[in-house]
Amino acid sequence: AQKITQTQPGMFVQEKEAVTLDCTYDTSDPSYGLFWYKQPSSGEMIFLIYQGSYDQQNATEGRYSLNFQKARKSANLVISASQLGDSAMYFCAIDAGTASKLTFGTGTRLQVTL
Amino acid sequence: DVKVTQSSRYLVKRTGEKVFLECVQDMDHENMFWYRQDPGLGLRLIYFSYDVKMKEKGDIPEGYSVSREKKERFSLILESASTNQTSMYLCASSQNRVGNTEAFFGQGTRLTVV
Repeated sequence: AQKITQTQPGMFVQEKEAVTLDCTYDTSDPSYGLFWYKQPSSGEMIFLIYQGSYDQQNATEGRYSLNFQKARKSANLVISASQLGDSAMYFCAIDAGTASKLTFGTGTRLQVTL
Repeated sequence: DVKVTQSSRYLVKRTGEKVFLECVQDMDHENMFWYRQDPGLGLRLIYFSYDVKMKEKGDIPEGYSVSREKKERFSLILESASTNQTSMYLCASSQNRVGNTEAFFGQGTRLTVV
């Protein structure tokens, strides 16, 4: 079985600052994928970034980067230059095993302030 | 634009009613999923399907069933709705492949059982 732990229920960050959202995972599968999704107050789930367990480099997508530390089983999301529109729930998820089903963490609510 | 469409955004049903939540995707994806989202619990997998007429139980299948008669459509059924099934329900689909198995989500159905 897979497990995702997000220990920060809520975070605040000032506009234009960088913020790190924590995610640790547990799986016995040697091959897995790690995902981050954003959920604004409107409710839709927006895919942000993906990291494969065998990828040598940390994934980056624009202002999002994933700090992947395999030995520590962590996959933290770093958002650089925060914007007011970044205020949302953020979910970390893992895909391991059959049928590509994602197991999600409990989420972190990020609030960006002026 | 790729799309996963859920039939209703909001639903109010009475205890004991049979409830159908419909989900359609236009991306020819093999995999389809139903999640339930509750505050503090993140997204939990109810059922998933990796092919037509195939279904697998997720983490919380009790009180639910599913149907997948066509590749593009995946229905979640509450046989006899109860108040503890009041929740946000999210449908998702993904390709069956190695690597980035990004799931695409519908807009969600907020179900209230009274």
